[in-house]
Amino acid sequence: DIVMTQTPLSSPVTLGQPASISCRSSQSLVHSDGNTYLSWLQQRPGQPPRLLIYRVSNRFSGVPDRFSGSGAGTDFTLKISRVEAEDVGIYYCMQATQFPYTFGQGTKLEIK
Amino acid sequence: EVQLLESGGGLVQPGGSLRLSCAASGFIFSNYAMTWVRQAPGKGLEWVSVIGGSGGGAYYADSVRGRFSISRDDSKNTLYLQVNSLRAEDTAAYYCVRGRLSPDYWGQGALVTVSS
Repeated sequence: DIVMTQTPLSSPVTLGQPASISCRSSQSLVHSDGNTYLSWLQQRPGQPPRLLIYRVSNRFSGVPDRFSGSGAGTDFTLKISRVEAEDVGIYYCMQATQFPYTFGQGTKLEIK
Repeated sequence: EVQLLESGGGLVQPGGSLRLSCAASGFIFSNYAMTWVRQAPGKGLEWVSVIGGSGGGAYYADSVRGRFSISRDDSKNTLYLQVNSLRAEDTAAYYCVRGRLSPDYWGQGALVTVSS
């Protein structure tokens, strides 16, 4: 199975400041079709997860442009350019390149 | 508007069974693969199973293979998860998710509690 490792596991951030979350996979996430199926999800307290980023760097519909994704191969990053109060929650990376699909442990974003 | 509404959760004894349903609306259901993801209380996300669009193949996590069965009825725009031989560690919120490679829309979840 592909292991997804996120760092940090907790990230206290000041409002208006940037935040960054790293996700590393134990194997390359490049699919045989040439795509890299790495997504980022946000789970606000008491809510189901919500897709933010798909295929490494594509923002899903309605996601603010302060969220961006980057990376390749085995190393990926989610960046929030200026954290807002509504960004509090847990962020997960997920790979869908190889079965079984797997998630990172989650990174808790909280406001300082 | 895409909507996914899970039902069928509840309290069940170890060894018991349930059938979870997910009623989909707002998109052409048969065109999409559908996925189940679960989340134990206070824990992270775990991929459970996926079924392709229009009766495509089904895949399962090792932890549920042989006990859970995913299916769909495209005429009813409904996804199912038959969960059998339930164990305490299956206690979780079960989310219905549209898509396979990029899970874009998520339901609110159905809570399954396995306890005697």
